[in-house]
Amino acid sequence: NAGVMQNPRHLVRRRGQEARLRCSPMKGHSHVYWYRQLPEEGLKFMVYLQKENIIDESGMPKERFSAEFPKEGPSILRIQQVVRGDSAAYFCASSERQGAVPEAFFGQGTRLTVV
Amino acid sequence: GQQVMQIPQYQHVQEGEDFTTYCNSSTTLSNIQWYKQRPGGHPVFLIQLVKSGEVKKQKRLTFQFGEAKKNSSLHITATQTTDVGTYFCAGHQSSGNKLVFGAGTILRVKS
Repeated sequence: NAGVMQNPRHLVRRRGQEARLRCSPMKGHSHVYWYRQLPEEGLKFMVYLQKENIIDESGMPKERFSAEFPKEGPSILRIQQVVRGDSAAYFCASSERQGAVPEAFFGQGTRLTVV
Repeated sequence: GQQVMQIPQYQHVQEGEDFTTYCNSSTTLSNIQWYKQRPGGHPVFLIQLVKSGEVKKQKRLTFQFGEAKKNSSLHITATQTTDVGTYFCAGHQSSGNKLVFGAGTILRVKS
């Protein structure tokens, strides 16, 4: 059972371009979280999704950022017209809330650098 | 909305000293989880506490869940350089599904 897979691991974009980050949750997991982390800082919640639904996007900027978790395929975090301030590590985590409350499994993260 | 606060933000200790990080939630939690992130790595699950007043140990690590299920602590006895990293607490609200993380405590150990 493969863990949470994120790709790409490293992404460089010029200002104004689009960044597309992918997250494949663990098999059987239908809950996905996206977090952003600046160097030497904590995890900042962005969005929580279940299959085909956005449950909570209170941590995601209303402009330029969007997320989806389609019925088939990975979850996608999209950042349009990137700016230097978007440079950070973006982590995806998945969990399955069945039975006992489970832990979240994290992917390796995507390090986005905007130049 | 629910907030989970963690203190301190940073802690530098001499190898062999003890270390404690504290976690406080604005609302009652159904559970508390702790994660460790090594420098350059991703958060990895350490443990979960569910019961009020619960205490669990993993070697030199002791985890506590408060009686009111709104706070928790992680204590490391006699730190080692391998303990370096960021420690996060996270919890589910009693009435919700969202897993909310604290900002983390960065631990540095001087040898």
